[in-house]
Amino acid sequence: QKEVEQNSGPLSVPEGAIASLNCTYSDRGSQSFFWYRQYSGKSPELIMFIYSNGDKEDGRFTAQLNKASQYVSLLIRDSQPSDSATYLCAVEENAGGTSYGKLTFGQGTILTVHP
Amino acid sequence: NAGVTQTPKFQVLKTGQSMTLQCAQDMNHNSMYWYRQDPGMGLRLIYYSASEGTTDKGEVPNGYNVSRLNKREFSLRLESAAPSQTSVYFCASSPIVGQSYGYTFGSGTRLTVV
Repeated sequence: QKEVEQNSGPLSVPEGAIASLNCTYSDRGSQSFFWYRQYSGKSPELIMFIYSNGDKEDGRFTAQLNKASQYVSLLIRDSQPSDSATYLCAVEENAGGTSYGKLTFGQGTILTVHP
Repeated sequence: NAGVTQTPKFQVLKTGQSMTLQCAQDMNHNSMYWYRQDPGMGLRLIYYSASEGTTDKGEVPNGYNVSRLNKREFSLRLESAAPSQTSVYFCASSPIVGQSYGYTFGSGTRLTVV
């Protein structure tokens, strides 16, 4: 069974700080990695995806990928109370190169940004 | 509005009853998926459809059936509901077979089986 593990949280950071969310995965052949944000009672919303080793920045968000260590992370700079949500890491299944887009999700990390 | 539409939003069933969750997308996506979300368990794949006319089992298919009616619509059926199927169900779609660009999710169906 392919596994995606996230730091258990909950994570609490002060407004303006950097929030760091971490994720490890078991399928060494996975090529595509995603971060979703889910507000309470709402559906998940895609905020970042990354395919290559290294960093990818989009506004206050930076995704980091290290395939050798099977590790992906999300940094949120200048955290705001509106960033308070559950963050889900998702990894595309490799399935011999034909994944049909199936994603395996981690259990999520609850982030609280306090004023 | 473009996106993924799920109906109903809420449902209460008695054990043994059946129901169909409806999902439709208007983004011309090839692939569609049904997930369930339970506290502490994350999202788990029930069934998926890589393209119109095909369906396949995911991680937790027992107790469910699906139909890909056309490219737009992908329904999930519970033939005989059980309390263990109490969950939040999400339908999602993705544009391209063979590579994931991430999902667009519907708003979810909150199902309680008593």
